Amino acid sequence: KQEVTQIPAALSVPEGENLVLNCSFTDSAIYNLQWFRQDPGKGLTSLLLIQSSQREQTSGRLNASLDKSSGRSTLYIAASQPGDSATYLCAPPRSGSARQLTFGSGTQLTVLP
Amino acid sequence: DAGITQSPRHKVTETGTPVTLRCHQTENHRYMYWYRQDPGHGLRLIHYSYGVKDTDKGEVSDGYSVSRSKTEDFLLTLESATSSQTSVYFCAISERGDGTGELFFGEGSRLTVL
Repeated sequence: KQEVTQIPAALSVPEGENLVLNCSFTDSAIYNLQWFRQDPGKGLTSLLLIQSSQREQTSGRLNASLDKSSGRSTLYIAASQPGDSATYLCAPPRSGSARQLTFGSGTQLTVLP
Repeated sequence: DAGITQSPRHKVTETGTPVTLRCHQTENHRYMYWYRQDPGHGLRLIHYSYGVKDTDKGEVSDGYSVSRSKTEDFLLTLESATSSQTSVYFCAISERGDGTGELFFGEGSRLTVL
């Protein structure tokens, strides 16, 4: 069974800092891994999708890496801004099913102005 | 933003009553999903659809049924709502179901069962 752990559960940083959010998963037989952000009271917004053949994926100030062998993914946010405040979730596929994702509990990020 | 509309956005109902949540998409994506989100449990898949009239169970399907008679609509039905089904329900869509497609979410439907 795929289990996903995200550390830290919550993080508060001053504006401008670079930061790293961590995601670990137990079943490394995955096709891809997706990172999402969720604002309070809202749905999830897809940030990055990393295919198993890739090691990194970048979008603007966001960079996600994937290390299948160690069961880890990291989301790097450069030059954080107050608008980055949200909960960030990683989601690898469920064990034995490429169609179903397993979500971590997320990291709640607060960027202070 | 992906064209996904969930209705109703908020609903309060009583135990034992039937409830239907609707997800409507304008993207013509083949795959549609219903998730529920609860504190301490995160997001969990209820049911998903891989085409018109083609559906399958997720990890928390008990007490729920789904139907998809058109590509654009995916309905989630609680035949007899219970308090344990109080949750926020999210619909999601994907163009591809082989693990290579991004998942896009609706805004959610908050259901309270009294």
